[in-house]
Amino acid sequence: KAGVTQTPRYLIKTRGQQVTLSCSPISGHRSVSWYQQTPGQGLQFLFEYFSETQRNKGNFPGRFSGRQFSNSRSEMNVSTLELGDSALYLCASSWVGGRQETQYFGPGTRLLVL
Amino acid sequence: QKEVEQDPGPLSVPEGAIVSLNCTYSNSAFQYFMWYRQYSRKGPELLMYTYSSGNKEDGRFTAQVDKSSKYISLFIRDSQPSDSATYLCAMNRRNTPLVFGKGTRLSVIA
Repeated sequence: KAGVTQTPRYLIKTRGQQVTLSCSPISGHRSVSWYQQTPGQGLQFLFEYFSETQRNKGNFPGRFSGRQFSNSRSEMNVSTLELGDSALYLCASSWVGGRQETQYFGPGTRLLVL
Repeated sequence: QKEVEQDPGPLSVPEGAIVSLNCTYSNSAFQYFMWYRQYSRKGPELLMYTYSSGNKEDGRFTAQVDKSSKYISLFIRDSQPSDSATYLCAMNRRNTPLVFGKGTRLSVIA
């Protein structure tokens, strides 16, 4: 079974621009979560989507948004990029319905904001 | 106080050593406990998953959860250079986001 895939893998943007990142979950997984990873803050939860609805949201500004499509693929968007948005953005998918929704991560998209 | 505390290391051990990695947490409602391994420039890979208190063993890896002390551990026996990575603890309640420790960087020296 193919793992979680994320595109693009690397991205360089300038301040003020916007960016869209894409995530394709493991087949059969309907929940997709997004995380930001930085050396200073570690892994921080952005939001989770399940069946095209946002189920949980972290403590990030409204510049960070996401959506999920009917095939469970998800995108996240960051508008008006700031230098501090430089990070590894990770997507994780999980199967919903079991005792615990164990999350499996993709390789991440490394974003550099100049 | 952060919800999950994890010593960032770095931790350097000789090949074959037993490694002990630990996390403490403050939220007594956490029920699910996980350890992820993250190699440089890769996404985290799930190593171990434990529900509530107790031990779980998988090959050279043993995960322990002590809910009374709010303390979890990961032991690696017969450590190998290929175990060199950052180890992240994570935990949550059902249907809530994972809360991660900041990770411990481990180097196993041949």
